[in-house]
Amino acid sequence: AQTVTQSQPEMSVQEAETVTLSCTYDTSESDYYLFWYKQPPSRQMILVIRQEAYKQQNATENRFSVNFQKAAKSFSLKISDSQLGDAAMYFCAYRSAGFGNEKLTFGTGTRLTIIP
Amino acid sequence: GAGVSQSPRYKVTKRGQDVALRCDPISGHVSLYWYRQALGQGPEFLTYFNYEAQQDKSGLPNDRFSAERPEGSISTLTIQRTEQRDSAMYRCASSLAPLRADTQYFGPGTRLTVL
Repeated sequence: AQTVTQSQPEMSVQEAETVTLSCTYDTSESDYYLFWYKQPPSRQMILVIRQEAYKQQNATENRFSVNFQKAAKSFSLKISDSQLGDAAMYFCAYRSAGFGNEKLTFGTGTRLTIIP
Repeated sequence: GAGVSQSPRYKVTKRGQDVALRCDPISGHVSLYWYRQALGQGPEFLTYFNYEAQQDKSGLPNDRFSAERPEGSISTLTIQRTEQRDSAMYRCASSLAPLRADTQYFGPGTRLTVL
């Protein structure tokens, strides 16, 4: 079974600075997908960014980018120019590429605080 | 509506009662997923459907939990004889097409409290 580990329960960053959230995962599969979801105080779950394992290029979405290291099974999220609205719980998630195995496996989350 | 909707948003029940949680996915989405999230934890998979077929129910904790999606749209998660340990946020998600690993869009969740 796949597991996802987020070793930083809490992180904080000064507004406008850059912060990196860590995620590692364990799998024997070669094809899969990785996601970062954001959960603000409203407790909605919002997709931040996704990465296909077969793509070597790191995904980028505006101020959000990932550092995907397949051999190391590492998938970190970098948030540049942090804004107050980025304050939230961030969850890393894994999904197999195989048909019939479409569930997301989540880590335990990292709570990000933005310091004004 | 544009997003996944769930009802009720909050449910308080007494131990031993049955509860039914409803999920209305994004229109046209083939796949529908149920997750449970305890406070301070990430969501845990319960079960999912493609169309009306339940593809995987390996995450259901025990036989008190069941789910259906009879017409391939709205889904109901039922918990029979609720226990205090069932208290959690129950989340539904939907995605467009399973084979393309489309993004799962989450609903606002149902907060279940069992007294």
